[in-house]
Amino acid sequence: AQTVTQSQPEMSVQEAETVTLSCTYDTSESDYYLFWYKQPPSRQMILVIRQEAYKQQNATENRFSVNFQKAAKSFSLKISDSQLGDAAMYFCARENSGGSNYKLTFGKGTLLTVNP
Amino acid sequence: ETGVTQSPTHLIKTRGQQVTLRCSSQSGHNTVSWYQQALGQGPQFIFQYYREEENGRGNFPPRFSGLQFPNYSSELNVNALELDDSALYLCASSLLSHHGYTFGSGTRLTVV
Repeated sequence: AQTVTQSQPEMSVQEAETVTLSCTYDTSESDYYLFWYKQPPSRQMILVIRQEAYKQQNATENRFSVNFQKAAKSFSLKISDSQLGDAAMYFCARENSGGSNYKLTFGKGTLLTVNP
Repeated sequence: ETGVTQSPTHLIKTRGQQVTLRCSSQSGHNTVSWYQQALGQGPQFIFQYYREEENGRGNFPPRFSGLQFPNYSSELNVNALELDDSALYLCASSLLSHHGYTFGSGTRLTVV
């Protein structure tokens, strides 16, 4: 089975500091999409950032950026200037496009705590 | 632009019963996917509906079934509930092949 692995069950960071969450994946496809989602206690999955595999440039959204290493199948998320509102569960996901079926495969998540 | 709405938010059922969960997709989206998220785990893909037809299925038994309606809203039905079916059920709407998903806040199902 094609998997997504998040090796850090929990991480903590001081407010205003930087933290990096790790993710590795496997896939047999050459073109695919990768995502980081945030799930706060409200339970709704909120898109943080998206990366298209054929683009070499790393995606950036304000304080959030990724380090995408295609050959290593690595997709880490960097959060700069961490804020209390960043505390949540973070999931890495890969989109499979088997024919016309598009589905997300998620990792097990990393619980991020932000300390004041 | 409305988001994805799921109902009910919480539900308690007895083993062996049947349950129906509902999802209203985001305006303009034609595809609905359902995911099961067990406690402490990432979501697992159940199935996807596109234009009222099942468009892919994960590793779930046939007692998990669904429907999509002409307005693109969707239902997830689970028959013969088992204790292991206790989980958060998430619905995500999208435009097929557009690589963007909007999730609802889920239905927390507890089977006792």
